Amino acid sequence: AQKITQTQPGMFVQEKEAVTLDCTYDTSDPSYGLFWYKQPSSGEMIFLIYQGSYDQQNATEGRYSLNFQKARKSANLVISASQLGDSAMYFCAEFGNEKLTFGTGTRLTIIP
Amino acid sequence: DAMVIQNPRYQVTQFGKPVTLSCSQTLNHNVMYWYQQKSSQAPKLLFHYYDKDFNNEADTPDNFQSRRPNTSFCFLDIRSPGLGDAAMYLCATSDDRAENQPQHFGDGTRLSIL
Repeated sequence: AQKITQTQPGMFVQEKEAVTLDCTYDTSDPSYGLFWYKQPSSGEMIFLIYQGSYDQQNATEGRYSLNFQKARKSANLVISASQLGDSAMYFCAEFGNEKLTFGTGTRLTIIP
Repeated sequence: DAMVIQNPRYQVTQFGKPVTLSCSQTLNHNVMYWYQQKSSQAPKLLFHYYDKDFNNEADTPDNFQSRRPNTSFCFLDIRSPGLGDAAMYLCATSDDRAENQPQHFGDGTRLSIL
């Protein structure tokens, strides 16, 4: 069974600074996908970025990048130049065995 | 814009009174998922449909059922809601059950039990 660990329950970051949200995973699947989702207080889950287990390069999507270290089973999300609108809950998730398993999330608060 | 739409946004029901939550999609995706998310917790998969094929998670209570009458719509039925069923219910879709397919979520239905 998959297990996703997010060790930072909450983070406070100054506006315009970069922030790294940690995620480690434990899976026996030979092929898997790693995802990050953002959940604002309104509740919707917003897909941010995807990394395939066989991808050689780290994924990037605008201000979001994924620092993928396969040997360490780590998939950290980096947000550059943080904005007030980045304040939300962030979930790391792994797709394997036909299902998406989420971590417990990190609540990010951006301070003006 | 293609999207996943959940209705209603907020639902209040009485203890033991059946309730149905709905989800529709314009993405024409094959897979539709239902998740339960309790306060300050991660979403938990209840079940999913791959086309017409229903896939239940082993730990989903019998109280929860689902219907998918066509590609666009999927319903979550709670037969006799208990206080512990108060949660956000999230519907998601994906084109396939592959590890490179992101799931697209609706805005969720927040269910309260009186």
